Amino acid sequence: EAGVVQSPRYKIIEKKQPVAFWCNPISGHNTLYWYLQNLGQGPELLIRYENEEAVDDSQLPKDRFSAERLKGVDSTLKIQPAELGDSAVYLCASSHGGTGANVLTFGAGSRLTVL
Amino acid sequence: DAKTTQPPSMDCAEGRAANLPCNHSTISGNEYVYWYRQIHSQGPQYIIHGLKNNETNEMASLIITEDRKSSTLILPHATLRDTAVYYCIVGYYGGSQGNLIFGKGTKLSVKP
Repeated sequence: EAGVVQSPRYKIIEKKQPVAFWCNPISGHNTLYWYLQNLGQGPELLIRYENEEAVDDSQLPKDRFSAERLKGVDSTLKIQPAELGDSAVYLCASSHGGTGANVLTFGAGSRLTVL
Repeated sequence: DAKTTQPPSMDCAEGRAANLPCNHSTISGNEYVYWYRQIHSQGPQYIIHGLKNNETNEMASLIITEDRKSSTLILPHATLRDTAVYYCIVGYYGGSQGNLIFGKGTKLSVKP
């Protein structure tokens, strides 16, 4: 099993540029999460999908961040325009969701550096 | 805010048991205790979870006090590969009932 696949692993951009991160969850996992992790901090939830529906996006800064999960499988997280403070690791995770245990499988993350 | 309190760091000698404490005095009756760990430059990894009974799997043991206000994660024979940040999280069983909130965790350093 490949696990949760994220790309790119590293991205360096200048401020005001757009950036996109892609996530392929574990096959059969209905729930997909995007987390943000700043240096020295624990991951913070940005958005949670149940199949293709965003059921919790309360922490997603909607003025510059957007996400989509077409067909309820892969997902893309976009930032436009990026700011210096967006430098962080963006983690994708998936789980069976629903009434199952909160057992999440995380990807390796995408490290963003905004110059 | 995270509903748990963990020491920021701990050391453990290789081959010895690592006992990581966690306080969760405000845990509600149907909330579980979850443990995840994060090795440097990787995403967090699920370890174990429990409600009130002690649990054991191939990675670790989880001991929850009778009043459920605290717990201890035990790595019976720590190796250098167990060096990581360990997160203790309180949350509901189903994701539909709420998301897991990560704190800063405990940075465990296993030394030769």
